[in-house]
Amino acid sequence: GENVEQHPSTLSVQEGDSAVIKCTYSDSASNYFPWYKQELGKGPQLIIDIRSNVGEKKDQRIAVTLNKTAKHFSLHITETQPEDSAVYFCAASIGGNNRLAFGKGNQVVVIP
Amino acid sequence: DAGVIQSPRHEVTEMGQEVTLRCKPISGHDYLFWYRQTMMRGLELLIYFNNNVPIDDSGMPEDRFSAKMPNASFSTLKIQPSEPRDSAVYFCASSSSGTPNFGPGTRLTVT
Repeated sequence: GENVEQHPSTLSVQEGDSAVIKCTYSDSASNYFPWYKQELGKGPQLIIDIRSNVGEKKDQRIAVTLNKTAKHFSLHITETQPEDSAVYFCAASIGGNNRLAFGKGNQVVVIP
Repeated sequence: DAGVIQSPRHEVTEMGQEVTLRCKPISGHDYLFWYRQTMMRGLELLIYFNNNVPIDDSGMPEDRFSAKMPNASFSTLKIQPSEPRDSAVYFCASSSSGTPNFGPGTRLTVT
């Protein structure tokens, strides 16, 4: 089955700097890759996603890049702000269906 | 849009008791998912429904767990009997495209 790994598990950045979180996946049939942000006491919220026919997608300060050959994708947050502090989860579709396999999450801490 | 609604938000129960978690998906969504989140195992898909029909329940840990979706606006996840290792946050999510929209979760503690 699909195996999704996230690195690093914890990331601390100075406010205003960039943060990058990387995920690897194992199933070459995966074609959809969402990223979720989870704040304390809340459910994960979708922040950006990418499909396998696209290499990069950007939405204001966040962007996602996908390398299908290497089976990895990354979340980039620029000009980080304290409200970006949260746990970020990557996920990959299991084959082409509606199930997602989630990574274990990255704790991002933005230091004011 | 009220989003996915889950109740209760917190549940504390004793081992052996029956626990029922409830979910109201976003109106118009035809997929409903139940996830469990723990520190050790992260987010795990337990079961998902499409048009009220269970499609994949391979993530349900054992027969003590059961889920139903009697109509498009309501689903339950039941644990009977509950055990301490069932302590976790249980999320319900719904979607119309396959990308889950998560509810706020139910934090279950079994003592």
